[in-house]
Amino acid sequence: DTGVSQNPRHKITKRGQNVTFRCDPISEHNRLYWYRQTLGQGPEFLTYFQNEAQLEKSRLLSDRFSAERPKGSFSTLEIQRTEQGDSAMYLCASSRSGKQWNEQFFGPGTRLTVL
Amino acid sequence: AQSVAQPEDQVNVAEGNPLTVKCTYSVSGNPYLFWYVQYPNRGLQFLLKYITGDNLVKGSYGFEAEFNKSQTSFHLKKPSALVSDSALYFCAVRDITGGSYIPTFGRGTSLIVHP
Repeated sequence: DTGVSQNPRHKITKRGQNVTFRCDPISEHNRLYWYRQTLGQGPEFLTYFQNEAQLEKSRLLSDRFSAERPKGSFSTLEIQRTEQGDSAMYLCASSRSGKQWNEQFFGPGTRLTVL
Repeated sequence: AQSVAQPEDQVNVAEGNPLTVKCTYSVSGNPYLFWYVQYPNRGLQFLLKYITGDNLVKGSYGFEAEFNKSQTSFHLKKPSALVSDSALYFCAVRDITGGSYIPTFGRGTSLIVHP
């Protein structure tokens, strides 16, 4: 399968713990995006990388959230001191560079439950 | 600023009948418009996009969408619905002005096709 992959698919954690998610984009895609999706809502943008550079961050991305893409390939999203409000589906997407209208390809998501 | 509205939380249609899922948008300049579909426990899948040119855009699985600049709409259509089309559909917009690569998604519309 050459699509976008995300691990783990599900994560249950206790409030206050740290969690880390991984995204492996389609190999030839330079751009990588993180979104959060809650029930009844569309994906909400969190952050975006072009290669290893983090180019945009949403106001939704509080200080407890950090994302990296150290070698311009896979990316990690870490949430520190999780809160119950962080419970959501975290989606990763990737796209080709070059054209602003290139569509994004999404992974299956990581569902986070904070108890 | 860019925004998108999907005025219907749910659309019900009988198999074999035509379907329409509505989307309206707001942008400062000109839009790039996208439709994605999300099946249960799956990531979002790209259906089609409008960049420029013909107002009627054809996409995957027999879907098409009509761009209407005067009504700022981009409704998704299919001439004959299938039960397997039942899923969650998301419209997304990206404002050409400013060069952002970040789309804004609507809340989604649940399409239910009855046998």
